[in-house]
Amino acid sequence: QKEVEQNSGPLSVPEGAIASLNCTYSDRGSQSFFWYRQYSGKSPELIMSIYSNGDKEDGRFTAQLNKASQYVSLLIRDSQPSDSATYLCAFRSGSARQLTFGSGTQLTVLP
Amino acid sequence: SAVISQKPSRDICQRGTSLTIQCQVDSQVTMMFWYRQQPGQSLTLIATANQGSEATYESGFVIDKFPISRPNLTFSTLTVSNMSPEDSSIYLCSAATSAQETQYFGPGTRLLVL
Repeated sequence: QKEVEQNSGPLSVPEGAIASLNCTYSDRGSQSFFWYRQYSGKSPELIMSIYSNGDKEDGRFTAQLNKASQYVSLLIRDSQPSDSATYLCAFRSGSARQLTFGSGTQLTVLP
Repeated sequence: SAVISQKPSRDICQRGTSLTIQCQVDSQVTMMFWYRQQPGQSLTLIATANQGSEATYESGFVIDKFPISRPNLTFSTLTVSNMSPEDSSIYLCSAATSAQETQYFGPGTRLLVL
């Protein structure tokens, strides 16, 4: 069983819609969760980090964490064509220093 | 956040040769990591670069193939040795200010081995 599963893509949404990206993880010791955005040909850039159950909002982005159900999600409101990219979820388990990445979900926002 | 640069940004190499990739951070960081991202794939951690001691390698990666140096808190190198076409990939340097802090990535080095 993979440590991190992301919802299969590619995902297409119309401009202005809400894009929902989901990630489940198997390690109950996971403590820290991150969403990275990666444009084609570029390196990953951090969008959100979340450490506690519940929602965390930053502009058009909302990260949701549910440790009991072992999932973390990212909502993008009012999606823009510039949001088209691959989104990677990552987690850090316990005292580990390194991150474990999901396989990524490719999002396309259609004008 | 740390600003990370990598050199070279891309290279085309012949089979059997070696390439050293440099990673420079604009401030002192505790943690530095090297990742590989093969075409269409996610990131795979190669090793954690430890300042003043040997790197910590992940399963499937060995020092003879991927020797790493980290002489100080702002600089690290990754060498891809005795390259084969299977080593064609993007190699990414990452840094964090502490073990539990967010990781930031450099722009990557795109390697093609012929």
